[in-house]
Amino acid sequence: DIVLTQSPASLAVSLGQRATISCRASESVDSYGNSFMHWYQQKPGQPPKLLIYRASNLESGIPARFSGSGSRTDFTLTINPVEADDVATYYCQQSNEDPFTFGSGTKLEIK
Amino acid sequence: QVTLKESGPGILQPSQTLSLTCSFSGFSLSTSNMGVGWIRQPSGKGLEWLLHILWNDSKYYNPALKSRLTISKDTYNNQVFLKIANVDTADTATYYCARIAWDFWYFDVWGAGTTVTVSS
Repeated sequence: DIVLTQSPASLAVSLGQRATISCRASESVDSYGNSFMHWYQQKPGQPPKLLIYRASNLESGIPARFSGSGSRTDFTLTINPVEADDVATYYCQQSNEDPFTFGSGTKLEIK
Repeated sequence: QVTLKESGPGILQPSQTLSLTCSFSGFSLSTSNMGVGWIRQPSGKGLEWLLHILWNDSKYYNPALKSRLTISKDTYNNQVFLKIANVDTADTATYYCARIAWDFWYFDVWGAGTTVTVSS
């Protein structure tokens, strides 16, 4: 199975500042020139919400403050500037190989 | 507008079979390139993909659970059914169904989830 390691496990960021979350895969999640890496936001008591698909594509309706980058084994989710509504846990997910796997999550708090 | 909603028994005993239903609207599994998957999350923990089914009745399973999982669909009534055999306390979780993008296999719309407790 592909293991996704997210870091940090938690972070506190001041309003208006940048938050950077890393997701490292145990092997490449790229195929046919595409990265099969996606990002979700989960607020307490709510289901996950798709933010970014294929590493860097912003899902419809998601603010442009969210962006994704990376390829092969190293991926980053950036939120800039952070707003109060961004308090949540963020997960990466790979779909390049069965079984699909998720990272363990990064909890974002406001400093 | 795409919506999904899970329903289930709430609580069941070890060794029983868990049956969950995902009722959805805003898309159809009779349409090419559509699919529905199931993901679960124990309280306070991370997400685990279980399986998904596509418009053409193709099914994809998490190998770790495959022997216990059954998925089926009722295309006419816009429902997907999940059965997990021989449950134990480790199956206690919130179960989500979600629409899956068939090309890159991400989950673009999720249901609110249904909580399942396995307890004697």
